[in-house]
Amino acid sequence: AAGVIQSPRHLIKEKRETATLKCYPIPRHDTVYWYQQGPGQDPQFLISFYEKMQSDKGSIPDRFSAQQFSDYHSELNMSSLELGDSALYFCASSLSVASLYANTGELFFGEGSRLTVL
Amino acid sequence: KQEVTQIPAALSVPEGENLVLNCSFTDSAIYNLQWFRQDPGKGLTSLLLIQSSQREQTSGRLNASLDKSSGRSTLYIAASQPGDSATYLCAVNQGEMNRDDKIIFGKGTRLHILP
Repeated sequence: AAGVIQSPRHLIKEKRETATLKCYPIPRHDTVYWYQQGPGQDPQFLISFYEKMQSDKGSIPDRFSAQQFSDYHSELNMSSLELGDSALYFCASSLSVASLYANTGELFFGEGSRLTVL
Repeated sequence: KQEVTQIPAALSVPEGENLVLNCSFTDSAIYNLQWFRQDPGKGLTSLLLIQSSQREQTSGRLNASLDKSSGRSTLYIAASQPGDSATYLCAVNQGEMNRDDKIIFGKGTRLHILP
């Protein structure tokens, strides 16, 4: 079965550079979430999209932005990178509980993109 | 505001033992609760999902229970194996019809099974 695909898996950037992470949700899933996980930390919610519209916003810095495209893939854009941005960035997708399809609302995660800022 | 707490934060047990991981949440108005496993540097793997109307779910050696009224869930692991060593996270979904989903994670329990 198709899973959540994230790219790139690893990314190394210098301070003040820009990075873009991509997420391809499971087909038919209408909701995408972005999480940031620092070393030894639990996943911190950044932002989510439902049907290509931003649905919720968490602790996402102003230097970061994200969007969901017509094919439902999502991109997280990070600018003016700082050392503290080094983390694992996870994307997750689900079929929203608000969906007309009967579903469990189960959340599926990608393998993550590891960003290292030097 | 929903808060999810997992106890203990870390646990080391000898191989073969049965063990229980705990997850508590402050707002019982949840849609479902999901248990995940995470290996170091890896993604989160869904283990069990319990709907708010259910009391338990089982998968192999894993059994998850849910007591919504008291805001508690447990993950029971039978006959633990070294391969079970990982961080276990629980997450509650407060989604409702006509409202966007909101997923809140606990901080996880780091489990180490001693061979």
